[in-house]
Amino acid sequence: EAGVTQFPSHSVIEKGQTVTLRCDPISGHDNLYWYRRVMGKEIKFLLHFVKESKQDESGMPNNRFLAERTGGTYSTLKVQPAELEDSGVYFCASSPAGANTIYFGEGSWLTVV
Amino acid sequence: AQSVTQLGSHVSVSEGALVLLRCNYSSSVPPYLFWYVQYPNQGLQLLLKYTTGATLVKGINGFEAEFKKSETSFHLTKPSAHMSDAAEYFCAVSVSRAAGNKLTFGGGTRVLVKP
Repeated sequence: EAGVTQFPSHSVIEKGQTVTLRCDPISGHDNLYWYRRVMGKEIKFLLHFVKESKQDESGMPNNRFLAERTGGTYSTLKVQPAELEDSGVYFCASSPAGANTIYFGEGSWLTVV
Repeated sequence: AQSVTQLGSHVSVSEGALVLLRCNYSSSVPPYLFWYVQYPNQGLQLLLKYTTGATLVKGINGFEAEFKKSETSFHLTKPSAHMSDAAEYFCAVSVSRAAGNKLTFGGGTRVLVKP
């Protein structure tokens, strides 16, 4: 069974550009999460989808971040325009309905220069 | 709101020595507790978790952790460190029971294993 997959694994962009991160959850998992870790800080929750609906987006830092989950399958996280402080690792995770364990992908490393 | 504190951002242990990573949490409701590990250039992998029942939890790679409610702690131990244990370890708490689980992480502890 394939795990949570994320693309790209690494991205270097200039300040002001746009980046789109993609996450494919484990097949059949209704819950999909985005987390991020900026340099030297804790891993922080960004948002949570249940199928295609946003259940909780309380962790989204500002309106430069837009997350979507098309048809309840894969998800994208767009940062537009990117700022220097957006640099970090963006983790996607998924879990089945009712489960108390979530499974993480390997992360997308974003560097904004 | 819940929070997690990991004491020590870096820990150095000798190969074969005890590994002890400390985690304290705060939560207004009974928590679910987790330890995740991140090996170099890899994602987060679940080591072990506590939900209910037995307070001593065994995980992968010889790790275990004990939930102590009176001390609000969930320390991670391994009797004998191996070189392959060099990684960053994260303690996390979740209190959501409804649609999924939202994790709050500690700051992480990076473990260096000396030969």
